[in-house]
Amino acid sequence: DVQMIQSPSSLSASLGDIVTMTCQASQGTSINLNWFQQKPGKAPKLLIYGASNLEDGVPSRFSGSRYGTDFTLTISSLEDEDMATYFCLQHSYLPLTFGAGTKLELK
Amino acid sequence: QVQLQQPGSVLVRPGASVKLSCKASGYTFTSSWMHWAKQRPGQGLEWIGEIHPNSGNTNYNEKFKGKATLTVDTSSSTAYVDLSSLTSEDSAVYYCARYGLLGLDYWGQGTTLTVSS
Repeated sequence: DVQMIQSPSSLSASLGDIVTMTCQASQGTSINLNWFQQKPGKAPKLLIYGASNLEDGVPSRFSGSRYGTDFTLTISSLEDEDMATYFCLQHSYLPLTFGAGTKLELK
Repeated sequence: QVQLQQPGSVLVRPGASVKLSCKASGYTFTSSWMHWAKQRPGQGLEWIGEIHPNSGNTNYNEKFKGKATLTVDTSSSTAYVDLSSLTSEDSAVYYCARYGLLGLDYWGQGTTLTVSS
């Protein structure tokens, strides 16, 4: 199975900060990756597809990038509504596998 | 718009089975794979498996073989996951999600399954 190693597990930041989190795939030459935002008690919301493409309606302060098997989600200027847990998903190989999540909190 | 409707919560006794539902609307149900995932409190998501409503073809995570069975009812545009021989380890939120062109693009609100006597 492809493991998605996500870091950090938690992150404390201030409003206006630039925030980054990463997922590293344990194997695979062509990983298709989604990033999601999940707030407590809510369904995950798709933010990024194809590692770097912004889903319609998602604020432009969110961006994704890929370098080999390393994937990064960046929030360029943190807003209060961004406090949530973020996780990645690889959907190129079965079984699909998720990162363990990064919980983003306000400092 | 695409919607996946799931019941909010279910309580079942240990050793029993349960069938969780996911009613789809707003798109052609038979055209997209439907996925299921499990999330235990404070933990990450685990992929259970997928089913194509048109063919009934399924793929499962090895970990859930023997535990979960995926089915669909195309007449009502509803997907189901059947969970058997329930224990406390099965207590979790179960999500259905549509696999679109971009990945898992729409998710249900999740059903909280509590296994308790």
